[in-house]
Amino acid sequence: AQKVTQAQTEISVVEKEDVTLDCVYETRDTTYYLFWYKQPPSGELVFLIRRNSFDEQNEISGRYSWNFQKSTSSFNFTITASQVVDSAVYFCALSGVTSGSRLTFGEGTQLTVNP
Amino acid sequence: DAEITQSPRHKITETGRQVTLACHQTWNHNNMFWYRQDLGHGLRLIHYSYGVHDTNKGEVSDGYSVSRSNTEDLPLTLESAASSQTSVYFCASSERSGGYGYTFGSGTRLTVV
Repeated sequence: AQKVTQAQTEISVVEKEDVTLDCVYETRDTTYYLFWYKQPPSGELVFLIRRNSFDEQNEISGRYSWNFQKSTSSFNFTITASQVVDSAVYFCALSGVTSGSRLTFGEGTQLTVNP
Repeated sequence: DAEITQSPRHKITETGRQVTLACHQTWNHNNMFWYRQDLGHGLRLIHYSYGVHDTNKGEVSDGYSVSRSNTEDLPLTLESAASSQTSVYFCASSERSGGYGYTFGSGTRLTVV
């Protein structure tokens, strides 16, 4: 069975602060894929990143960065210099090779960036 | 442009009624999924399909059914709506295993009164 845990239910920061969203996963698969999605107040799900289990290199995209550590089964997401537009619910998700394309989602983290 | 559309966007129905939520994709994806989103639970898988005439139960399938008669559509039916099925429902499709090309619809907000 697969499991994704996002222990932070809600985070509130002031604009320009850096913030890290935690994601811990469990899977028995040796090949798996990790994802982050953003859900703004409008409700749609926006894909942010997909990472496979063989690629532990950290990734940076503008103000966003991701830290993947297999040793701790974590795939954390950092927003640098947060902005009000970053306010959203963020979901971490996992798909193992034995689960086909089925995604297992974490509970989500509500991020509020205050001006 | 290819897309995945859900209808209706909002629906209010009464307890005990049968309700069908539509999902249509023009990506020509074989894999299609239905999830429900509830506070504190994230998104949970209801049913999924890997191709025409293939359907499978997810982790919260009780009270729901799907059918796949063509590649483009995977309608979700609530046999007898219950208040516990009040939720936001997302349809998704993907190109192949590993989450490639995973695309979500805009969601359907269903309220059962």
